Amino acid sequence: QSVLTQPPSVSAAPGQKVTISCSGSSSNIGDNYVFWYQQLPGTAPKLLIYDTDRRPSGTPDRFSGSKSGTSATLGITGLQTGDEADYYCGTWDSSLSAGVFGGGTKLTVL
Amino acid sequence: VQLVESGGGLVKPGGSLRVSCAGSGFTFSGYTMNWVRQAPGKGLEWVSSISTSSTNIHYADSVKGRFTISRDNAKNSLFLQMNSLGDEDTAVYYCARGTWGGGGLNYWGQGTLVTVSS
Repeated sequence: QSVLTQPPSVSAAPGQKVTISCSGSSSNIGDNYVFWYQQLPGTAPKLLIYDTDRRPSGTPDRFSGSKSGTSATLGITGLQTGDEADYYCGTWDSSLSAGVFGGGTKLTVL
Repeated sequence: VQLVESGGGLVKPGGSLRVSCAGSGFTFSGYTMNWVRQAPGKGLEWVSSISTSSTNIHYADSVKGRFTISRDNAKNSLFLQMNSLGDEDTAVYYCARGTWGGGGLNYWGQGTLVTVSS
């Protein structure tokens, strides 16, 4: 059971928009930055969003991050087949003094 | 920036193994480093982190008391000593550069597979 809760899967058609939720608590999402990682099949994870809503160079502006209270959201617009991957939210938990990840969400672009 | 893990392999339950991560292309001593693992077909699990001068070290509860993280800044290397290994420790072990306090884990290695089996 992960500390952060994500939906196991989401799907949408090419060109459409999708959101992935990440629910936590006051000791993790509510108190710290949220990060999003993309893991393409058979590869290592890659940082997609950092400090809750910032994009590293190389992350298209189709990807966005936001946070409200103890929940965070990853948004992807203009879906492409190349976006099919597993997406993980992560943050620091101040009570556990540990990094925590969500269970991951598999995105399917139909 | 490149991170290359090594040292994975097959180990019997109760055994020990040390995995390493060699960093290059950046000032290794200037960055917090992490180990993150992923069991086959499962999600990511943060394992441990170590600050630049090794003064701040944290572990996941699942490995506390069994795993030890260390680094050698002179050799641009990160280590994870794993003792009392169990089936639940079977995973790909990734090293990752960065901190949860800002910036995130912004570079990852390709991982090294540790299999615990009799």
